[in-house]
Amino acid sequence: DTEVTQTPKHLVMGMTNKKSLKCEQHMGHRAMYWYKQKAKKPPELMFVYSYEKLSINESVPSRFSPECPNSSLLNLHLHALQPEDSALYLCASSQVGTGINYEQYFGPGTRLTVT
Amino acid sequence: AQSVAQPEDQVNVAEGNPLTVKCTYSVSGNPYLFWYVQYPNRGLQFLLKYITGDNLVKGSYGFEAEFNKSQTSFHLKKPSALVSDSALYFCAVRGLMNYGGATNKLIFGTGTLLAVQP
Repeated sequence: DTEVTQTPKHLVMGMTNKKSLKCEQHMGHRAMYWYKQKAKKPPELMFVYSYEKLSINESVPSRFSPECPNSSLLNLHLHALQPEDSALYLCASSQVGTGINYEQYFGPGTRLTVT
Repeated sequence: AQSVAQPEDQVNVAEGNPLTVKCTYSVSGNPYLFWYVQYPNRGLQFLLKYITGDNLVKGSYGFEAEFNKSQTSFHLKKPSALVSDSALYFCAVRGLMNYGGATNKLIFGTGTLLAVQP
């Protein structure tokens, strides 16, 4: 099973709302990622978790708060977002290790609209 | 710093003809290169990767890529295009730590939209 699932598929939220995006994988991967993607642009890395610990934060605003409750789950908590945060949010996972370069497997994404 | 360039925003090809989507890279150390495809309103799907070994890498859906060290290129190819191959294609390279170790970070090119006409 090479599937990464994301919920919800679509989310519309106001600028004062609090919401969460969820991601799950059952491939035994110990690295998980959040990306933001604008239309027809490459994904932009936001966060990387390795062995359930935050290893990379690409200077993301604090209104985005990641959480990795266990090795299969990854959440992204959203609060006080701006309209420019509207985008496709992608989750990905991969194996971890040195010396071998593992590909990342992506979920279908959550289409977020901030009104 | 690691980077990849995709010089074509869009590639048009007739169904049944061979296709090439171009990618050039600039890296410190060994290049670890990847190709991904994104269909409309979907996530990215892994196609293939080059780590070491044979310069011709075979991947999913009949795609292959040729690694050329002298030209610092990693072009994606398919002998016979299908209309269903129409999608956005991204080339990517593995990022490096400041001390030179590999990271989990992928650095993506700007993407190439492939349009296959029936």
